[in-house]
Amino acid sequence: DAGITQSPRHKVTETGTPVTLRCHQTENHRYMYWYRQDPGHGLRLIHYSYGVKDTDKGEVSDGYSVSRSKTEDFLLTLESATSSQTSVYFCAISESGLAGGPFANTGELFFGEGSRLTVL
Amino acid sequence: DQQVKQNSPSLSVQEGRISILNCDYTNSMFDYFLWYKKYPAEGPTFLISISSIKDKNEDGRFTVFLNKSAKHLSLHIVPSQPGDSAVYFCAASAGNAGNMLTFGGGTRLMVKP
Repeated sequence: DAGITQSPRHKVTETGTPVTLRCHQTENHRYMYWYRQDPGHGLRLIHYSYGVKDTDKGEVSDGYSVSRSKTEDFLLTLESATSSQTSVYFCAISESGLAGGPFANTGELFFGEGSRLTVL
Repeated sequence: DQQVKQNSPSLSVQEGRISILNCDYTNSMFDYFLWYKKYPAEGPTFLISISSIKDKNEDGRFTVFLNKSAKHLSLHIVPSQPGDSAVYFCAASAGNAGNMLTFGGGTRLMVKP
């Protein structure tokens, strides 16, 4: 199993409070991602990183920020949590940046076990 | 608008029979497709993938079929086992979009003994 650790695994917070979720990897993979999983929507990409200090927005980035100061850590911050951000958050890592490309690995993502966030 | 759709939220199959999970996509730029399996309280795990240059890929009991003209792919599990009971996500990527995967909403498979 890929070495990915998410913390905290469970958190309950109140609307308007800041929240930071941490993803730590021991695989030295270049790419890291934050997804959220919601019923009926599957997994949606929030932000991703393609290197230290290199990040970009995903499909549902509003209300979220990220930081990656070290290869092994990728932080997801909710500056002011809202009830719509109640979800299960998954961190993922990947070695390759070209899924399915001829010179790439298969490009699949390795996921952490998830962080369940409840915003009251 | 969802670019990857799994129209069946759930599927129930008898042990030993075939399970067929379907996935449709709308983005013609997608050129690589993957299936992930997810058990409760765990992260998704990679199951099988297929490139757009192929129409079939097989790995043991799992086979993925791709019909590019119909923008449709399916995952066949033969024979189905109770341990296959999980949520299955279809995902797609476009080669020029780095490693960004777009996921479908998932199908919950229940294999009954």
